[in-house]
Amino acid sequence: GQNIDQPTEMTATEGAIVQINCTYQTSGFNGLFWYQQHAGEAPTFLSYNVLDGLEEKGRFSSFLSRSKGYSYLLLKELQMKDSASYLCAVRDEASGTYKYIFGTGTRLKVLA
Amino acid sequence: EAQVTQNPRYLITVTGKKLTVTCSQNMNHEYMSWYRQDPGLGLRQIYYSMNVEVTDKGDVPEGYKVSRKEKRNFPLILESPSPNQTSLYFCASSPPRGASSYNEQFFGPGTRLTVL
Repeated sequence: GQNIDQPTEMTATEGAIVQINCTYQTSGFNGLFWYQQHAGEAPTFLSYNVLDGLEEKGRFSSFLSRSKGYSYLLLKELQMKDSASYLCAVRDEASGTYKYIFGTGTRLKVLA
Repeated sequence: EAQVTQNPRYLITVTGKKLTVTCSQNMNHEYMSWYRQDPGLGLRQIYYSMNVEVTDKGDVPEGYKVSRKEKRNFPLILESPSPNQTSLYFCASSPPRGASSYNEQFFGPGTRLTVL
């Protein structure tokens, strides 16, 4: 079956580093995605990984291990505006489908 | 401005009264999708479309219909809405394979639907 797990909530301090983990199970894996969603707004794309390793984009980095079904999003130099929900998603292309499966999201609170 | 638009943004309706939520994108995207977002359940895909006249079910298609008669529009139809379809709905689109942002979904602003 398909399943994505990520922590429900995390809290961190401004200026710190936080790592949000995501584990997944899917039969036709073809990419892992991270989205940011501020309260009351639409999700916005942060990162995409399809091969093992680390992708860095400014203060945000995303890591993937396909053999472990594991990813993390690393946020450095946290700012107050980083307070948001972070959604992990996978693209499943099993049996000719082209579906996206999202986790329930991790709500990050950044404290001053 | 490149964007995905949804209408209406807010809707309160009653059980059984057919409704359509429109979604339009002006980026010539091929892939379009509808999601619902509920507390504790996250984003769940309802239907998606790979291109004109090509649609397929996501994980929660029951009670919904879609059509893709033209590339830019992907309406979501609730033939007989029920209270369990009260939710926040998002439309999203992605560029075709080979485009620089192919792996990015662009989301509309959302439609908050309440079915009484």
